[in-house]
Amino acid sequence: NAGVTQTPKFQVLKTGQSMTLQCAQDMNHNSMYWYRQDPGMGLRLIYYSASEGTTDKGEVPNGYNVSRLNKREFSLRLESAAPSQTSVYFCATGLEGSETQYFGPGTRLLVL
Amino acid sequence: GESVGLHLPTLSVQEGDNSIINCAYSNSASDYFIWYKQESGKGPQFIIDIRSNMDKRQGQRVTVLLNKTVKHLSLQIAATQPGDSAVYFCAEIPDSNYQLIWGAGTKLIIKP
Repeated sequence: NAGVTQTPKFQVLKTGQSMTLQCAQDMNHNSMYWYRQDPGMGLRLIYYSASEGTTDKGEVPNGYNVSRLNKREFSLRLESAAPSQTSVYFCATGLEGSETQYFGPGTRLLVL
Repeated sequence: GESVGLHLPTLSVQEGDNSIINCAYSNSASDYFIWYKQESGKGPQFIIDIRSNMDKRQGQRVTVLLNKTVKHLSLQIAATQPGDSAVYFCAEIPDSNYQLIWGAGTKLIIKP
């Protein structure tokens, strides 16, 4: 039972490059979330998915797209990376009807 | 806009003493609050939660107090241990869509 897993753990990109961050969960949770965390800051919600097949924008969606591939997987895509997207990205899951969220270990992204 | 913030960015306490981490929130409609612990290099981990119809909730070595009059909540950690070193975030849910609004975090440092 791995919980919430994220790949890659660390990535360096050049400005303009694209990449997809992967998140998978084996907790059978309906809700999944993508956050970014900048140094010394709290988490900010990028996108979330309340259930398979649905996605909604969070607080800071610009520059990102998401795909809820199935119940287990929720990916975050940067089409054209910018230095402002240098951050740590966390995926989280939640059970429908519960506010508690469970977090993955994070992906550290550096955009040069 | 609505926000959740923390009074102190860093808190140093002696090992064995009690720690008190404070958090202010501005959305009086919020009815659910969570404390998360984030150790270095890891994702946030749920500690304890409290609903707005309560003013105190206790867990194992932790207590959360909620003062709705002044929109303030606190996390008390009893007999602080080295393993308590982390950044602590408060988060609120202002409505029923389970989107967390996070504070900036307080770093707890344990002095030997």
